[in-house]
Amino acid sequence: RKEVEQDPGPFNVPEGATVAFNCTYSNSASQSFFWYRQDCRKEPKLLMSVYSSGNEDGRFTAQLNRASQYISLLIRDSKLSDSATYLCVVNMNRDDKIIFGKGTRLHILP
Amino acid sequence: ETGVTQSPTHLIKTRGQQVTLRCSSQSGHNTVSWYQQALGQGPQFIFQYYREEENGRGNFPPRFSGLQFPNYSSELNVNALELDDSALYLCASSWGVQGSEQYFGPGTRLTVT
Repeated sequence: RKEVEQDPGPFNVPEGATVAFNCTYSNSASQSFFWYRQDCRKEPKLLMSVYSSGNEDGRFTAQLNRASQYISLLIRDSKLSDSATYLCVVNMNRDDKIIFGKGTRLHILP
Repeated sequence: ETGVTQSPTHLIKTRGQQVTLRCSSQSGHNTVSWYQQALGQGPQFIFQYYREEENGRGNFPPRFSGLQFPNYSSELNVNALELDDSALYLCASSWGVQGSEQYFGPGTRLTVT
């Protein structure tokens, strides 16, 4: 099993729709989780940290499920500008390793 | 803009050569992490430097080495370049190491011929 797995997509979603991504991780000792977005040929940009209690930032909601070892990202009322690759990140604090998933490509269709 | 800068932007090297990439961290940050990103893949963690010491390393051979300076800027050195080393090299800075949010520079695109 890979350390961090994401559905590569692409997800083709009409503007205004809600879309959700999941990301699974293999190491139950993982402590910190993040979502980044990456536009084509650009660097990743931090979207949000993922807290145990879940967190929301505007149209974006992140959840952590430790029992099933996955994190999720929900985007509501999607905009054309949300088109990007979404990367989940797991920080295995004990080993000081930081693992990125391969990313999920999202296309918002007008 | 994150305030993280990298140089050079692009680089072309020949197999067997050595290369040094540079990164200046965001003001106030004391940790720099380096990543390799091949086309269509997520960034792969190379290593992290915290207060001038290596603090965590991914699955990269010893010919990938680094330094961090007292001002927290950092270098990534790659010896004996191979064709598969062609990739985007990203550095990210953060405050602290445990569960820290990272901010990326624009990357250096390395091509090995």
